Amino acid sequence: GIQVEQSPPDLILQEGANSTLRCNFSDSVNNLQWFHQNPWGQLINLFYIPSGTKQNGRLSATTVATERYSLLYISSSQTTDSGVYFCAVGGTGNQFYFGTGTSLTVIP
Amino acid sequence: ETGVTQTPRHLVMGMTNKKSLKCEQHLGHNAMYWYKQSAKKPLELMFVYSLEERVENNSVPSRFSPECPNSSHLFLHLHTLQPEDSALYLCASSPGTAGNTIYFGEGSWLTVV
Repeated sequence: GIQVEQSPPDLILQEGANSTLRCNFSDSVNNLQWFHQNPWGQLINLFYIPSGTKQNGRLSATTVATERYSLLYISSSQTTDSGVYFCAVGGTGNQFYFGTGTSLTVIP
Repeated sequence: ETGVTQTPRHLVMGMTNKKSLKCEQHLGHNAMYWYKQSAKKPLELMFVYSLEERVENNSVPSRFSPECPNSSHLFLHLHTLQPEDSALYLCASSPGTAGNTIYFGEGSWLTVV
């Protein structure tokens, strides 16, 4: 299957700071998604971004498919941004491959 | 409204009990998934169903038994579980075509005592 690596594994930020999370993948993919897992366990879809750049409020994401990586930017972080951020890539058919996540803690 | 609903949200069961987790998707998708997430670990794919047929069984012990009666419903039947099976069980669905997206339910927290 496709290998997905995320970095950093853990991140602690002061409220208001900016951060960049990275997702590297080992092969060509048909899609790429970023998720935020909240403290209650739910995985919230943030972006569907197989290529290009998207922005949604304080969050934005960029995927450079030819170089097999994606970046998630969080600006002016808030305590509610805390949680685990996962990157998932799609291969052929119904296969999805998940990274090990970046655990973000935003402190007031 | 996530489009994928799971029940129950929390379950405590003994090792000799039989219980079931239920998942329903309201998105018209063709593929459904069960994932397991143990504490501080990444998601582990358990089962994939496409158009009600199981297409992946990721070496899951037989004490976990999936059932997909139609494309909108997915069950995970549990029997004679072990304490190490305590985890968050996540159901998901996707349209089932290349380039598609995956959507998750809120998860079922399982504790085996």
